[in-house]
Amino acid sequence: EVQVVESGGGLVQPGRSLRLSCTTSGFQFGDYSVSWVRQAPGKGLEWVGFIRSATYGGTTDYAASVKGRFTISRDDSKSIAYLQMNSLKSDDTALYYCTSQYDSGGYYYLDNWGQGNLVIVSS
Amino acid sequence: DIQMTQSPSSLSASVGDRVTITCRASQSIGRFLNWYQKKPGLAPKLLIYAAHTLQSEVPSRFSGSGSGADFTLTISGLQPEDFATYYCQQSYSSPYTFGQGTNLEIK
Repeated sequence: EVQVVESGGGLVQPGRSLRLSCTTSGFQFGDYSVSWVRQAPGKGLEWVGFIRSATYGGTTDYAASVKGRFTISRDDSKSIAYLQMNSLKSDDTALYYCTSQYDSGGYYYLDNWGQGNLVIVSS
Repeated sequence: DIQMTQSPSSLSASVGDRVTITCRASQSIGRFLNWYQKKPGLAPKLLIYAAHTLQSEVPSRFSGSGSGADFTLTISGLQPEDFATYYCQQSYSSPYTFGQGTNLEIK
């Protein structure tokens, strides 16, 4: 059974840092890209960024709203992905989801999501 | 970045109705379009990928169509469990942006 569990969230002051973890099991983690998606209170889904599998260089890409502040990394030996969030702002308050990105003939989609981890940025 | 615009933003319907949600991309994206269902307190659920391919175990009352810049999600014969918010997402180029969502409510 595929399991995806986010952790590390909580209350943090503006300007501070926080690191979320995405612990997975039940599938070949290293074969897949990993994406982070967030949902601010009362708002829609926002794609945050992703990290490609090592096969595709393990490179990353980010939404403009977090580029330069957030960093995604992965440890394939532990089947864990990370979202390092620096210089946090109140606008970053959201439920953060980790999800795997699948590829079907070049068509990418997100499946197998975690339950989400809440990050609150407030003084 | 590619902008995704859904319409309507909200929709009221009754059990048994047929509803259609539209998603428009700011440029042509081929068939690189996914649909997700989101319920409060639950993670998003993939319904359709590549514009019209139904994800496994998703009921056949859900269908997707379109290509280029205009896409639709149709639910034929609404069931009580279908009342939720629906999002489209383009996977043509990063950043893989979502639409703003369509909230489907019970009439």
